[in-house]
Amino acid sequence: KQEVTQIPAALSVPEGENLVLNCSFTDSAIYNLQWFRQDPGKGLTSLLLIQSSQREQTSGRLNASLDKSSGRSTLYIAASQPGDSATYLCAAPDYNQGGKLIFGQGTELSVKP
Amino acid sequence: NAGVTQTPKFQVLKTGQSMTLQCAQDMNHEYMSWYRQDPGMGLRLIHYSVGAGITDQGEVPNGYNVSRSTTEDFPLRLLSAAPSQTSVYFCASSYSKHSGANVLTFGAGSRLTVL
Repeated sequence: KQEVTQIPAALSVPEGENLVLNCSFTDSAIYNLQWFRQDPGKGLTSLLLIQSSQREQTSGRLNASLDKSSGRSTLYIAASQPGDSATYLCAAPDYNQGGKLIFGQGTELSVKP
Repeated sequence: NAGVTQTPKFQVLKTGQSMTLQCAQDMNHEYMSWYRQDPGMGLRLIHYSVGAGITDQGEVPNGYNVSRSTTEDFPLRLLSAAPSQTSVYFCASSYSKHSGANVLTFGAGSRLTVL
């Protein structure tokens, strides 16, 4: 059964800092992994879907990497801004359950001006 | 392009009442699903569907019913509301019938309180 863990649960950084969010998964037999952003009181917005063949995927100041052998994915945010403050969730498929996405509990990021 | 639309956004129920949360998508997605999000529990899958006429249970299906009569709509029914069903409910869809194969698109959520 796939389990997804995100540490830390919360992170506070000053504006302008580069930062890394971590995601670990137990079943490495995955073809892709997704990162989402959730603003308070809102739904989830897809940020990046990274395929196992890609190893990295970039969108603007965001870069996600995937290392299946270690069961880890990271989301790198460059030059953080107060508008980046949100909860970031990663999700990996569980092929024992038909490929359904299993979500981590998220990292709540606060970027201070 | 509306994406995934959920109604209502907020609802207060009394214990024992029934209601339906509506979900509609206009992207011709095969896969649709319902999650609930609770503090400390994360997102948990309630029910899902891989196409019209096909539904299946997720992690926490008890107390909920679903149907998928059309590709576009996937309503979630609470049969007899209980305080434990107080939560934020999200509908999500993806193009592929395998939710992990493509980007999962979420609705804005429905906040339900059961007194």
